[in-house]
Amino acid sequence: SQQGEEDPQALSIQEGENATMNCSYKTSINNLQWYRQNSGRGLVHLILIRSNEREKHSGRLRVTLDTSKKSSSLLITASRAADTASYFCATDSNRDDKIIFGKGTRLHILP
Amino acid sequence: DAGVIQSPRHEVTEMGQEVTLRCKPISGHNSLFWYRQTMMRGLELLIYFNNNVPIDDSGMPEDRFSAKMPNASFSTLKIQPSEPRDSAVYFCASSHGGVSYEQYFGPGTRLTVT
Repeated sequence: SQQGEEDPQALSIQEGENATMNCSYKTSINNLQWYRQNSGRGLVHLILIRSNEREKHSGRLRVTLDTSKKSSSLLITASRAADTASYFCATDSNRDDKIIFGKGTRLHILP
Repeated sequence: DAGVIQSPRHEVTEMGQEVTLRCKPISGHNSLFWYRQTMMRGLELLIYFNNNVPIDDSGMPEDRFSAKMPNASFSTLKIQPSEPRDSAVYFCASSHGGVSYEQYFGPGTRLTVT
């Protein structure tokens, strides 16, 4: 089964609102990454948070990591139409040299 | 930098034919990844190379799939013979050092096997 599972599967919000997506995973990790994928394109890296970090910011993005709950959240503040995309979390385990992507959250920003 | 380059962008082939997908990673990156993306299974890591050496090929579905990296600037993913269930988007990505680093993805190759 997938290491990372995003929640919700799909999310529609009004432009200007904040969007929150969650990722849960099963095993201990080294790092957790978030990626964005626009329709028909390759994934674009957004942010990487290490297992010893709890929160990280990048522009309008805020990522939190709770290793005790094995979960992470991605918050996009003041959403824009250009934020419409699918968002994936990816984890690499500290037990083996693998990276596993979740199935993603489809975010749609309404004008 | 041109980013990760993949070719072809689209491939339509008949069942049983051989398919070869190509990737040129970003210059200076020493890790290269091949992924397959479908609606049903999401994004799956097929194989990844570090310094041109395959590190993990546990995601390669079966013997019909093979991947090579003859040098630091080129890799191929071959499917022989192809089957309709191989239809997917195949992505190549590269990074500075393994799974714990930011990956740069190519635009993908959309493969359709009829």
